[in-house]
Order: sequence, then structure tokens, then C-alpha cells
Amino acid sequence: EAGVAQSPRYKIIEKRQSVAFWCNPISGHATLYWYQQILGQGPKLLIQFQNNGVVDDSQLPKDRFSAERLKGVDSTLKIQPAKLEDSAVYLCASSLERAIPLHFGNGTRLTVT
Amino acid sequence: TQLLEQSPQFLSIQEGENLTVYCNSSSVFSSLQWYRQEPGEGPVLLVTVVTGGEVKKLKRLTFQFGDARKDSSLHITAAQTGDTGLYLCAGVSLNNNDMRFGAGTRLTVKP
Repeated sequence: EAGVAQSPRYKIIEKRQSVAFWCNPISGHATLYWYQQILGQGPKLLIQFQNNGVVDDSQLPKDRFSAERLKGVDSTLKIQPAKLEDSAVYLCASSLERAIPLHFGNGTRLTVT
Repeated sequence: TQLLEQSPQFLSIQEGENLTVYCNSSSVFSSLQWYRQEPGEGPVLLVTVVTGGEVKKLKRLTFQFGDARKDSSLHITAAQTGDTGLYLCAGVSLNNNDMRFGAGTRLTVKP
């Protein structure tokens, strides 16, 4: 089966600019997650979708981050405006159901200068 | 603050040596997963442990879930250079099925 697809792989922007990341989960996976992984740390959950509804966005900085999952398939994560501390790898993952093993994409490495 | 504490943070060993890494928490989990992440890639699931006291073996890797389901360990026998990577544990909360990751143990196996 095809894995979780993410794009772009790399993005470099200046602070205060906007950026968007895209994720296509494994076909049939109802649950989709966005994680932020800062260098030297483990992944931190930003938002979790079940189909196209938000299950958990308690750690999403909602003043600058937004995410949507239209039609319960693809998802986009947006940062507007970006700050230096947003530099990280943004990982998308999907699973058949909540909390069973996650399948991760290769991430988007964001550098904010 | 990390819900899950992993130790050591860094480990560098020679090929052929044995090692153990740990994942500890004050919380009880319904299950715990171990992932390995290589540079430029997403984490890949190694194993899921569910029952307190459970031991699972995956070739040279042995995973153990603590009796109280609060901690876990990963033991690698006769490490190989291909074992190099970031080992992450992730616990699934009893209350709400949320999954949280530890900060990982970065393992380097030198030839």
C-alpha cells in the first residue's frame, strides 16, 4: 500500500511569512494527526482528526496555526505568521482508528529565518 | 514537560555490544509503542505492548512492558550499525486514548 505522502519536503521562509503543508494519508485511514518535532525532541501532537472532525487540538497554537481536513481525506496545516521557534519537522501520520499504530510520512522540514 | 521520560538521551556503542534503553512515566497506559526514526524519515513502528509484564521479541530486540503498565524497556543484543537511529516510545492514555511521545534515545552503533 502507498504510504503517507507529505509535501513539500523542505521549506525555508522568513519570520512573519505564511506557509502551508499538505498531507495525503493512507487510503481508508480515518484518523489523521499532525505532529511538530523540534530538533532533539520527540514528536508533539498538534491536532488530531477523526474523518473530517477535530478530535484534539489542545496543543495547537491557534493564534497562528490552523489545519483542515476537507472531505475526510487530505489535510493541510498552515502557519500564519511564522516565528523563529516554529522551525521544526512537521510530521503527518494516519491510522485506521484512534491510537492504534500510526503510519508516518517523511515530514516537512521547516526553517524560519 | 515530557509525560514519558526516556533514558539515556544519547548512547554510543560499538558493534556487537548489548544495550538497554528505558521509557518511564508516572501515568498508566493502555498500551505503549516503540518506534525507530532515521534521519529525514518519519518514525516507523517496531512493536506495541499491551499487557502488564508482557515481553515481545523482534529478532535481536526485546521489549518489555512493566507490570504496572507505567514503564517499558528495549534491549538490543549484539547491536549492528543498522540499529543506529532515534528510538521513541509512545504511550496511549487510559482516559482518552491520546498518544504522547517521549523525547527519544539517540543510538549510534559504531563499526
